[in-house]
This record gives sequence, C-alpha cells and structure tokens, in this order.
Amino acid sequence: SAVISQKPSRDICQRGTSLTIQCQVDSQVTMMFWYRQQPGQSLTLIATANQGSEATYESGFVIDKFPISRPNLTFSTLTVSNMSPEDSSIYLCSVRQITKETQYFGPGTRLLVL
Amino acid sequence: AQTVTQSQPEMSVQEAETVTLSCTYDTSENNYYLFWYKQPPSRQMILVIRQEAYKQQNATENRFSVNFQKAAKSFSLKISDSQLGDTAMYFCAFREVQGGSEKLVFGKGTKLTVNP
Repeated sequence: SAVISQKPSRDICQRGTSLTIQCQVDSQVTMMFWYRQQPGQSLTLIATANQGSEATYESGFVIDKFPISRPNLTFSTLTVSNMSPEDSSIYLCSVRQITKETQYFGPGTRLLVL
Repeated sequence: AQTVTQSQPEMSVQEAETVTLSCTYDTSENNYYLFWYKQPPSRQMILVIRQEAYKQQNATENRFSVNFQKAAKSFSLKISDSQLGDTAMYFCAFREVQGGSEKLVFGKGTKLTVNP
C-alpha cells in the first residue's frame, strides 16, 4: 500500500481562523478523499478530491467552509475555514488506486479549536 | 443510502482468547466490498481485512477472519489468539458507489480491550 503523510499532525487554533492540512502520497493514486472524525464518533466523508477540477462534496459540507485542492496525483490540501469549536475533530485523508478496492488512510490531523 | 450497524459499543477479551465483533449492513446492491478497519489510540486507521461480496469464501488474514453471510447482510470479524496490541476501535465499513462517486460508510465502531 502507498505511504501517506499528513501535515500538521495536530494543531490548536483560535476560532475565526483557518487551517490548511496537507496530504502527501509516495506514489500516484487515482482517488483521494477527505474524512472527518468528530470526538467519539465514526468517520464521515467530507469530499472527494479531484485532480485538476473542483472537489465533489457530500451533503452537509460546502466548498466555502472546506476548500480542497488537488494539483497532482500525489498531493491534496483541505482547508478548514473560519473555524469554530464544533470543527474540533480528526481530519483524515485516504487514497485508492483504481485497480485496487481498498482505501488506505493517512495518520490523521487532530484539530482543536478554542 | 447504505447503512452499517455495529451493535456492540464495547467488548473485552482475555489475552489469547477469541472474540467476535458483529456488523450488519443494508444495501440493495449485489456486488460490493466490505472492510474492517482498526483504529488504535494512535488514531491511524489500519485495514484489517476485506471481503468481496461475490466471493462466497470468507476472507482470512492471519489471526483475523470474517463470517460473511450475504443473505443475512452480516459481516462479523473473529480475532483468534487475541493480543494486547489488538486493543483498539474496530470499524466496519461498506463501500458505497453512486453515480460514479464512491465513499466508505462506517459503523459507529466497537471498542475492543484485550486484558492481560
């Protein structure tokens, strides 16, 4: 499986600010996804990051709040904008090769908003 | 939309014993994929095992095996010879594909504690 890294691994932010999370893969992958895991909860898909085009967002998530970029096949960013304490979560990126059926996850970014 | 249900919020097992985690799902699809992921306190999501619905044979990975009952829409995970390192949250997941997009739909998880 691909090696996936995320930066930062954790951060504490003030409300009203924005944070950009990076996801880097060591090989070209077809699909990249961003998930949110709220405290004590399961994972929920935020969006699919599409290379060279706008991300595809799930119901309840909007581009103004969670802008996503994917400039190439190995890198993506997720920005959490105008943060509030409710945004405190773990944010995880995952990847999947089109020839494989499994999504593999990065180590996650733990975000605390004060 | 597909749903995944894990009815056991918490379980515990003694080291070296066997434990089974339950998962049921709801779908109208005939061909799909099911997964078990493990999330230790480090929070990394780690794939444990995968099952393809069109395969009747239950998947096995070392000490981990599944009991896949397609008609009953059941996908339980059996951990044999439990080890302390198996302590983690375990999530059952269904791969949902709709209109060219896809996502993993997760259950709420089962917190497994392996006791020495």
